Amino acid sequence: DVKVTQSSRYLVKRTGEKVFLECVQDMDHENMFWYRQDPGLGLRLIYFSYDVKMKEKGDIPEGYSVSREKKERFSLILESASTNQTSMYLCASSFPKGLAGFETQYFGPGTRLLVL
Amino acid sequence: KQEVTQIPAALSVPEGENLVLNCSFTDSAIYNLQWFRQDPGKGLTSLLLIQSSQREQTSGRLNASLDKSSGRSTLYIAASQPGDSATYLCAVLDSNYQLIWGAGTKLIIKP
Repeated sequence: DVKVTQSSRYLVKRTGEKVFLECVQDMDHENMFWYRQDPGLGLRLIYFSYDVKMKEKGDIPEGYSVSREKKERFSLILESASTNQTSMYLCASSFPKGLAGFETQYFGPGTRLLVL
Repeated sequence: KQEVTQIPAALSVPEGENLVLNCSFTDSAIYNLQWFRQDPGKGLTSLLLIQSSQREQTSGRLNASLDKSSGRSTLYIAASQPGDSATYLCAVLDSNYQLIWGAGTKLIIKP
């Protein structure tokens, strides 16, 4: 079974703190993604990575950065947390597009972040 | 810009009923459409993936259809069970290879 783990299920941080969210996958997937999920909205892509040390901005990258030093690990960094970054953060991974079409993404359990 | 809509946002039905969840999208230029399930405290699980050239996919009591020209997909759940209670999300892979998500339908199956 594919396993995607996230370092914390719940986090409470203060405004201005630097926050690290870690994601690890054990299936040797090339692609990794960070989303945030807010009530009434669909998942929104923050950043994604197609390879080690490679990153691409998603739809809402402002206030975030990422790091992918190893293939299995993708970190999301909130440089200076703000209250509007209170959200559920979901990490996902997948193989790249293959001959059979695009591969589905496998998700971690999510980290619910509260910024006070 | 592609937009994905799921209506209703919440649905409650008695156990045993057949039900349909709806997903609509604004741009028919998609590579595929997926239905996911999300349980509280857990990540998303992919249920069905329909390639753009396909009309439907089936898995057990689930059947998903795709009508690309009208921008619609349905997820049919037969003989619903309390364990089907979850939030169901649909997502389309658009022409830029990005997954665009609906906000989900929260389904409650009453025993």
